[in-house]
Amino acid sequence: DVKVTQSSRYLVKRTGEKVFLECVQDMDHENMFWYRQDPGLGLRLIYFSYDVKMKEKGDIPEGYSVSREKKERFSLILESASTNQTSMYLCASSWETRNEQYFGPGTRLTVT
Amino acid sequence: GQQVMQIPQYQHVQEGEDFTTYCNSSTTLSNIQWYKQRPGGHPVFLIQLVKSGEVKKQKRLTFQFGEAKKNSSLHITATQTTDVGTYFCAGPPRNNDMRFGAGTRLTVKP
Repeated sequence: DVKVTQSSRYLVKRTGEKVFLECVQDMDHENMFWYRQDPGLGLRLIYFSYDVKMKEKGDIPEGYSVSREKKERFSLILESASTNQTSMYLCASSWETRNEQYFGPGTRLTVT
Repeated sequence: GQQVMQIPQYQHVQEGEDFTTYCNSSTTLSNIQWYKQRPGGHPVFLIQLVKSGEVKKQKRLTFQFGEAKKNSSLHITATQTTDVGTYFCAGPPRNNDMRFGAGTRLTVKP
């Protein structure tokens, strides 16, 4: 079974802090994705990566950056956390970008 | 912005009633995928449709992909309390990424 893990289930940070969210998948998937999920807005794509060191912006990349130094790991970075970044963050991976995605359990981030 | 539109946003049904959620894209999709997210859980893949006009069934769930490959629907017959959750459609508007609809949250009254 594909397993996607995220570093934390719950995280509380202060405004202005630098925040790292990590995602690891164990199925050698080429593609990895970061989404944020907010009520009524569904899943919005922040960034995705189709290869090591490669990244593409999604619909809402502002305020975020990503890093993919190894195939199995995709990190989301909030350079200076703000309260409007309080959300559920979901990581996913897939064999190909158009194939089914496997999601991690999510990280509920609260910025105070 | 949202390139895959999904309606309704919420649906509350009595157990045993049918349920349908609809997904529409402004562009032709190479495929459409459906996911279910249980309360407190993460999205889990249900099915993928690829061919124009394709219909697939999973027990009480029927999935359709439109002839123009721009719309899709998920129909649940005789809902049960285990069907509770949010159903998302997703499609690749281009060849290198995926976009999810906003989801339809289904609640079922026993």
